[in-house]
Amino acid sequence: DAGVTQSPTHLIKTRGQHVTLRCSPISGHKSVSWYQQVLGQGPQFIFQYYEKEERGRGNFPDRFSARQFPNYSSELNVNALLLGDSALYLCASSLVGGYASIADTQYFGPGTRLTVL
Amino acid sequence: EDQVTQSPEALRLQEGESSSLNCSYTVSGLRGLFWYRQDPGKGPEFLFTLYSAGEEKEKERLKATLTKKESFLHITAPKPEDSATYLCAVQAENYGGSQGNLIFGKGTKLSVKP
Repeated sequence: DAGVTQSPTHLIKTRGQHVTLRCSPISGHKSVSWYQQVLGQGPQFIFQYYEKEERGRGNFPDRFSARQFPNYSSELNVNALLLGDSALYLCASSLVGGYASIADTQYFGPGTRLTVL
Repeated sequence: EDQVTQSPEALRLQEGESSSLNCSYTVSGLRGLFWYRQDPGKGPEFLFTLYSAGEEKEKERLKATLTKKESFLHITAPKPEDSATYLCAVQAENYGGSQGNLIFGKGTKLSVKP
């Protein structure tokens, strides 16, 4: 079975530009979460979507936005890129995104490496 | 504030030298604790989920345990291919907010020399 897929693998942008990152969850999973990981740190939560609705947002500026489509794939958009946005962006999928009696496991994709020059 | 602290930051072992990694957590209510393995430049790979104190899970040379304040990842007779960063994360009760987001520690970078 295919795991979580992300595209593109690598991306180089300049300050002020806009970027769109894409994610396809594991088949049957209805929740997608996005995380940012800078070098030497653990992933930081950006957004969670479940059944196409935003269910959680981390401490990130409004330049970051996301959406989930009817097929449960997702996009993360970042406007007005800053040097500090350079990071590995991770997408994770889970069955119900935590909306169950117990926590459900999140499975991560390979990530998109974003470099802002 | 919910937080996760991992120690040590880095650990060097000789092949066959068993050791443990620590994950201390402070959360308002624990829904689950997760261990992941991450190779350089790649996404985290799921290892274990633990739900309640006293629970233990094993996979090959790895064993994860959970208490009310911390979790341990025990590595028995490690091999060079076990070299990676091991991440601990918790999912906390978050009334009125996201129920599903993970709070990660900074990880422990494990190096196993032959």
